Amino acid sequence: AQSVTQLGSHVSVSEGALVLLRCNYSSSVPPYLFWYVQYPNQGLQLLLKYTTGATLVKGINGFEAEFKKSETSFHLTKPSAHMSDAAEYFCAVSDGRDDKIIFGKGTRLHILP
Amino acid sequence: EAGVAQSPRYKIIEKRQSVAFWCNPISGHATLYWYQQILGQGPKLLIQFQNNGVVDDSQLPKDRFSAERLKGVDSTLKIQPAKLEDSAVYLCASTPSGGPYEQYFGPGTRLTVT
Repeated sequence: AQSVTQLGSHVSVSEGALVLLRCNYSSSVPPYLFWYVQYPNQGLQLLLKYTTGATLVKGINGFEAEFKKSETSFHLTKPSAHMSDAAEYFCAVSDGRDDKIIFGKGTRLHILP
Repeated sequence: EAGVAQSPRYKIIEKRQSVAFWCNPISGHATLYWYQQILGQGPKLLIQFQNNGVVDDSQLPKDRFSAERLKGVDSTLKIQPAKLEDSAVYLCASTPSGGPYEQYFGPGTRLTVT
């Protein structure tokens, strides 16, 4: 069975500082990995995804994530936080077999002025 | 391209009442999902349709929840009777089949049961 663990339900960073949101996954087959963002009162929006190929994936709004198979991790980073990045972030995993995605519990990112 | 549409956006009902949510997926998307998102948690899959057939409803509380997608396009999720613990955001998502494609989400319906 697949699962996702997001470390830290709340993360606070200062505006302009590095953003690092941690995600570890469990999968018996090569995983497909996703990061979604949810702004207040909105649905989820895809930030980036890893399927195959290059392990460093770049997404929208300056975010990127690196797939590390040896560490079963897919951490999300952004070099410089902006106030508009304040939102809930969800890591998700799929085995690619049945169009299902398993979501983590989410990390709320707070940006301090 | 129009996104996933959901209505209503907000609904407040008393426990034991019934409620229905509507979702219209992106045109041409064969797979449709209903998720329940309780405050502070990630989305939990309730039911997955491919065209008008159910792929997975293993986590749908069938004694009170029902869903249909009669013509393989839009879908309705119903709760009858509602309980306090059903208070949540109900998200609809769609994707082309044969993935793993990203899922496209609607804005959700926030349900409050009092």
